[in-house]
Amino acid sequence: AQKITQTQPGMFVQEKEAVTLDCTYDTSDPSYGLFWYKQPSSGEMIFLIYQGSYDQQNATEGRYSLNFQKARKSANLVISASQLGDSAMYFCAMREGLRRPDNAGNMLTFGGGTRLMVKP
Amino acid sequence: EPEVTQTPSHQVTQMGQEVILRCVPISNHLYFYWYRQILGQKVEFLVSFYNNEISEKSEIFDDQFSVERPDGSNFTLKIRSTKLEDSAMYFCASKRTGETGELFFGEGSRLTVL
Repeated sequence: AQKITQTQPGMFVQEKEAVTLDCTYDTSDPSYGLFWYKQPSSGEMIFLIYQGSYDQQNATEGRYSLNFQKARKSANLVISASQLGDSAMYFCAMREGLRRPDNAGNMLTFGGGTRLMVKP
Repeated sequence: EPEVTQTPSHQVTQMGQEVILRCVPISNHLYFYWYRQILGQKVEFLVSFYNNEISEKSEIFDDQFSVERPDGSNFTLKIRSTKLEDSAMYFCASKRTGETGELFFGEGSRLTVL
């Protein structure tokens, strides 16, 4: 089974509107972290936002917020007031086993990504 | 702002040749990683490195791959005998803490194997 699933290969949004990018995950580990990264056409990976499995509140970072629904195992990214510069690939990722004493579980598992295109 | 730097940005090589990709992680970071992304596909974990040894590696990271931190600043990925399917963008990443903590990625090194 896929650990991270992003069901939207591509999305359009009108400039200045909000958009939600879907991410569902699969883990039996009680301690995990969820990440969103942005990859513009230049190729670099830019960290956007992080949500820990034990965090009580949804993470927010400027125009980015994470709609964390633990029971549904979803961690959707919400971008408010879209800008043309938001056009990029967006990857959801998960790190499991955050609290293992042997530091295992360091790796990030990425979803397949969603290409967001912002229309002027 | 400190950043992870990678060289070269693009390398073209013949199949069977050895390739070394170099990375300078952020100076106070303790955990180092290599990921790769084949064109149009998802980012895949290769290896993590902590305390001068590999802490975890994926199935992709076979005997043809090795990593080294030779001088306390550089972190290298070596592919001994490249194959066509090694063509990908290779990302180096680092983070400071063990549990949570943001993973900082470099801008990637594109490897093209002919």
